[in-house]
Amino acid sequence: SQKIEQNSEALNIQEGKTATLTCNYTNYSPAYLQWYRQDPGRGPVFLLLIRENEKEKRKERLKVTFDTTLKQSLFHITASQPADSATYLCALGRGTSYDKVIFGPGTSLSVIP
Amino acid sequence: DGGITQSPKYLFRKEGQNVTLSCEQNLNHDAMYWYRQDPGQGLRLIYYSQIVNDFQKGDIAEGYSVSREKKESFPLTVTSAQKNPTAFYLCASSIRGLEETQYFGPGTRLLVL
Repeated sequence: SQKIEQNSEALNIQEGKTATLTCNYTNYSPAYLQWYRQDPGRGPVFLLLIRENEKEKRKERLKVTFDTTLKQSLFHITASQPADSATYLCALGRGTSYDKVIFGPGTSLSVIP
Repeated sequence: DGGITQSPKYLFRKEGQNVTLSCEQNLNHDAMYWYRQDPGQGLRLIYYSQIVNDFQKGDIAEGYSVSREKKESFPLTVTSAQKNPTAFYLCASSIRGLEETQYFGPGTRLLVL
């Protein structure tokens, strides 16, 4: 069955460093991959989408890579700030009107001042 | 101010009771979704609707029911048949369908008395 795994442990990093979060998947061929941010007690907020034919995408301090051979996406936050502390979810989709999006369990990131 | 609203923020259910969670959007989106979030797990799809007066079961529909009488509203009823209803419930919408970026509401936390 389809499975999505994200960093199993919470990630703690020092302010100013680059945070790298991992999303691995099995038994699935996504057409795209999304990253969302979720703050405690709030709904997820969409950050970035990367398609299967794209290797890398950037938005301000965020960078996402997508390797369909390794079945992995990496999500980087450069020059991290305490305000980046949150849970980050990856989600996979096939891009059809009948295939639902599948969400990973999320990785908790804490940026320490 | 466009967006998705959910109410109430917290909801308490007594044994044997049905409760209804409200979800309203003014984004003019066709598709709406209900997810359940439990600690350490990805979002799990309960029901979704891609058009008014039509909805489909997701992965965990048992013990839940929905209606979609208006484009902007997609209420979820948690029935007494749902034996483990304690969770964080998230409503989302997208412009057209399953293949698109989803916009989430703030969530409703359901607790059992």
